[in-house]
Amino acid sequence: DTEVTQTPKHLVMGMTNKKSLKCEQHMGHRAMYWYKQKAKKPPELMFVYSYEKLSINESVPSRFSPECPNSSLLNLHLHALQPEDSALYLCASSQSVLRRESYEQYFGPGTRLTVT
Amino acid sequence: QQPVQSPQAVILREGEDAVINCSSSKALYSVHWYRQKHGEAPVFLMILLKGGEQKGHEKISASFNEKKQQSSLYLTASQLSYSGTYFCGTERGGSNYKLTFGKGTLLTVNP
Repeated sequence: DTEVTQTPKHLVMGMTNKKSLKCEQHMGHRAMYWYKQKAKKPPELMFVYSYEKLSINESVPSRFSPECPNSSLLNLHLHALQPEDSALYLCASSQSVLRRESYEQYFGPGTRLTVT
Repeated sequence: QQPVQSPQAVILREGEDAVINCSSSKALYSVHWYRQKHGEAPVFLMILLKGGEQKGHEKISASFNEKKQQSSLYLTASQLSYSGTYFCGTERGGSNYKLTFGKGTLLTVNP
């Protein structure tokens, strides 16, 4: 099974709402990622978790709060978002983030977020 | 630093070949290639590592010139299913596996 699942597929939220995005993989991968993708743009890295610990935060605003409860799950908690945060949020996983190795990333289908 | 991809877009007829390029001004540890169809997730195609190792799908070929920090993806005998946006992602040594994607190349294959 090489599938990364994400829920929900679509989300509309107001600027004062609190919501969460969920990502799950059962490939035994120990690295998980959140990306933001605007229309006709490449994915932009937001966060990397390695062995359930936050490894990279690309200076993402604090209104985005990641969480990795276990090696299979990755959440992104959203609070007080702005309309410009509307985008496709992609989750990905890979075997590892060990140095001197490079592994392919498996992407989920994404959550299309609209902030009103 | 974002890698530069070229061309931005290419239109082919089925059976034709195409080359997509990706270059960086910084020394790279690896180059990844992904294809994303409209409304779908990016799908892994190939990794090219410093030192010459490659990992990827059998039907995909690519190269990595370490001296020039350039990679090329070769699409031969194109099929309709090859249509999509191709992204290269570059990883610098010591970056803790941070991938930076180029702006993408939109490939359209027509019958």
